[in-house]
Amino acid sequence: KQEVTQIPAALSVPEGENLVLNCSFTDSAIYNLQWFRQDPGKGLTSLLLIQSSQREQTSGRLNASLDKSSGRSTLYIAASQPGDSATYLCAVRHYSGAGSYQLTFGKGTKLSVIP
Amino acid sequence: EAQVTQNPRYLITVTGKKLTVTCSQNMNHEYMSWYRQDPGLGLRQIYYSMNVEVTDKGDVPEGYKVSRKEKRNFPLILESPSPNQTSLYFCASSLSTGENEQFFGPGTRLTVL
Repeated sequence: KQEVTQIPAALSVPEGENLVLNCSFTDSAIYNLQWFRQDPGKGLTSLLLIQSSQREQTSGRLNASLDKSSGRSTLYIAASQPGDSATYLCAVRHYSGAGSYQLTFGKGTKLSVIP
Repeated sequence: EAQVTQNPRYLITVTGKKLTVTCSQNMNHEYMSWYRQDPGLGLRQIYYSMNVEVTDKGDVPEGYKVSRKEKRNFPLILESPSPNQTSLYFCASSLSTGENEQFFGPGTRLTVL
């Protein structure tokens, strides 16, 4: 059964710092990996999607990497801002049998960027 | 605007009173799913649908029903809600299964007394 782990569970950094969030998954047979942002009491906003054949994706100050063979992904945030404060979720899309695909989530990393 | 909508956004109800949470997407997506999010447990899939009239159980289907009579709508039905179904519920959709990005609705916060 696929399991997704995110470390650390919480992270606090001063404004302007670069930071890395980690995600690991137990079964490397994935189709893609998606990073989401969730603000308190709100829905999920998709940040980056990396297909299994890709190594990284970039969007603005965000860069996500994928090492499928080792079951790891990182989300790099450059020059952090207070507005980046949120919970970041990692999810992997994998085959779950009977022609279907499932999205399995990690429990998230709660990021606080201190002004 | 391309989006996934859910209604209601907030609901307080009592044990045993049937309720339906609606989900609709305007992106002509084939794949739709429901998740619940609980503190310490993260997001868990309840049910999913690969297309019209095709639905299947996710990881935590007990106490829930779904239907997919038309492509854009995927309602979640709680026939007899119980307090352990108090949670934050999300509907999601993607173009198809496999490689496509999933888009999430804004969430429905349900409290069952």
